[in-house]
Amino acid sequence: AQSVTQPDIHITVSEGASLELRCNYSYGATPYLFWYVQSPGQGLQLLLKYFSGDTLVQGIKGFEAEFKRSQSSFNLRKPSVHWSDAAEYFCAENFGNEKLTFGTGTRLTIIP
Amino acid sequence: SQTIHQWPATLVQPVGSPLSLECTVEGTSNPNLYWYRQAAGRGLQLLFYSVGIGQISSEVPQNLSASRPQDRQFILSSKKLLLSDSGFYLCAWTPGQGLGYTFGSGTRLTVV
Repeated sequence: AQSVTQPDIHITVSEGASLELRCNYSYGATPYLFWYVQSPGQGLQLLLKYFSGDTLVQGIKGFEAEFKRSQSSFNLRKPSVHWSDAAEYFCAENFGNEKLTFGTGTRLTIIP
Repeated sequence: SQTIHQWPATLVQPVGSPLSLECTVEGTSNPNLYWYRQAAGRGLQLLFYSVGIGQISSEVPQNLSASRPQDRQFILSSKKLLLSDSGFYLCAWTPGQGLGYTFGSGTRLTVV
């Protein structure tokens, strides 16, 4: 069965520091991979997606993610975080059916 | 452009009362529609999805049901709410497989 693992439940980063959120997906055919962000009490906003081609994907708000098939990973990165990046981040995958499978999320806290 | 509307934003209901949450999509046709639930501190659980009018797939046996009476309308219902039905309910749509979801702003349901 499809599964997505986000090993870090909560991460704290200083403002201006770099960020990497981890995501591992279950092995299978070439997956469609996504990162979403959720501010408290809000819906989810798509940050970026990977379908094929260049394994380094650029998204909104200065985020990027790199698809590594050998590691079954799709980690999200940002070189310098801002206080407004504090939120919950979800990795998700789709193997070409109707359903999107989400990880359990990583809560990001930014300290001054 | 496509938009998704979900209402109400918040709802407090007594145990045993009925529930009806509505989600509509504008600016597209024949979308795939989804209902997710997000319990406090937990990830997103897919409840129902629909690939067409009258077509409902249930992911988790529970106290809830879904209906799709029109192409761009998706309704989540319950005849008698339980305390465990409390949570944050999110509606989402996608134009097709692997194309990512767009989420509504969510409904915070508290069953008392």
